[in-house]
Amino acid sequence: GDSVTQTEGLVTLTEGLPVMLNCTYQSTYSPFLFWYVQHLNEAPKLLLKSFTDNKRPEHQGFHATLHKSSSSFHLQKSSAQLSDSALYYCALSEATQVVGQLTFGRGTRLQVYA
Amino acid sequence: EAAVTQSPRNKVAVTGGKVTLSCNQTNNHNNMYWYRQDTGHGLRLIHYSYGAGSTEKGDIPDGYKASRPSQENFSLILELATPSQTSVYFCASGDYEQYFGPGTRLTVL
Repeated sequence: GDSVTQTEGLVTLTEGLPVMLNCTYQSTYSPFLFWYVQHLNEAPKLLLKSFTDNKRPEHQGFHATLHKSSSSFHLQKSSAQLSDSALYYCALSEATQVVGQLTFGRGTRLQVYA
Repeated sequence: EAAVTQSPRNKVAVTGGKVTLSCNQTNNHNNMYWYRQDTGHGLRLIHYSYGAGSTEKGDIPDGYKASRPSQENFSLILELATPSQTSVYFCASGDYEQYFGPGTRLTVL
């Protein structure tokens, strides 16, 4: 079945350093990949989505590139900010599945320090 | 922006008791979802719905029922609550972009 694997647990960074959160996936068909972000005591919300190969979506300074050859959709940002501290989920939806049915990874917590 | 609300926001229940979690959305989305969030497991899909009158099993449906009486409302029912169901529950609506409610923290003692 479909699965999503993310960088395990907690990633800590100093403000201003680059961010990279890993996401790899296993899928049977052509997947759509997503990044959701959840700040403390808030609901998850969509950060990025990618519907075509080798297109680079961007939002709030974050970007990700879907690489079908390596089954990856890593989240990157050139310079971390304190406000980026949050829980990040990578998620997958198969093109053949029910529209909107997502498989989430276990989440990566990013903590940015001054 | 889309609006999804949940009630109650916090609930303490006893083992063996019945618990109903309610969700309301004002976006007119056909699809609605119930997830639970646990550290180390992320978000896991319990039940979902395509529209009023429909409910479908997600990845972890055991011990849960769902009800979709209208386009706006989607409930999650625990007929016999157990301590293993202690968790944070999120309702969402939408398709690829899902709009989440604020969550319900459920503790089963």
